Amino acid sequence: GAVVSQHPSWVICKSGTSVKIECRSLDFQATTMFWYRQFPKQSLMLMATSNEGSKATYEQGVEKDKFLINHASLTLSTLTVTSAHPEDSSFYICSAQGLASDTGELFFGEGSRLTVL
Amino acid sequence: LAKTTQPISMDSYEGQEVNITCSHNNIATNDYITWYQQFPSQGPRFIIQGYKTKVTNEVASLFIPADRKSSTLSLPRVSLSDTAVYYCLVVGPMNTGFQKLVFGTGTRLLVSP
Repeated sequence: GAVVSQHPSWVICKSGTSVKIECRSLDFQATTMFWYRQFPKQSLMLMATSNEGSKATYEQGVEKDKFLINHASLTLSTLTVTSAHPEDSSFYICSAQGLASDTGELFFGEGSRLTVL
Repeated sequence: LAKTTQPISMDSYEGQEVNITCSHNNIATNDYITWYQQFPSQGPRFIIQGYKTKVTNEVASLFIPADRKSSTLSLPRVSLSDTAVYYCLVVGPMNTGFQKLVFGTGTRLLVSP
């Protein structure tokens, strides 16, 4: 099946620094990618929809200036958490849909765990 | 997007059949029902999708009654490795450009020896 890879798998950073997380579709072209955040024991919360070559669409309550999303190519989307603070510590997951997803199936990355000290 | 309701948690033992029911009263005519499985510290994994009646694959079966207001994911003879969170989602018609998935609470299944 299709593979979506995230990097890094985990990252620890100091408060105030910025962290970039990459999401790559390895064997298909993804016109649309989604970014989710998940806190412990909670469900996935959709943060934004990332479309190749255009600005991301953010969900209500998600700060676009804090969570910068770039979808520069059909196989790569990046999420940058700017000026990270401890409350940004979470599990970040991306998903991708191909150009012709005839099953409606979305493919998810392995997730990236961010810990802000 | 239709809202889904499912039990918060379920317990089972190895070898038993587990049925997880999901309610989606506001499902639209063209919507599909999809189930995902998530292990701790991993991204969700697609299990099965259906529109009506019954769908079966190597992992599970999905039963959808005629009114489509609910669905039941059936896991035959569960093992310890089936301990995970199972999410029921309603997604728009296939081939509509993109599928924006909104996750509900999910059902936390614990399989014991």
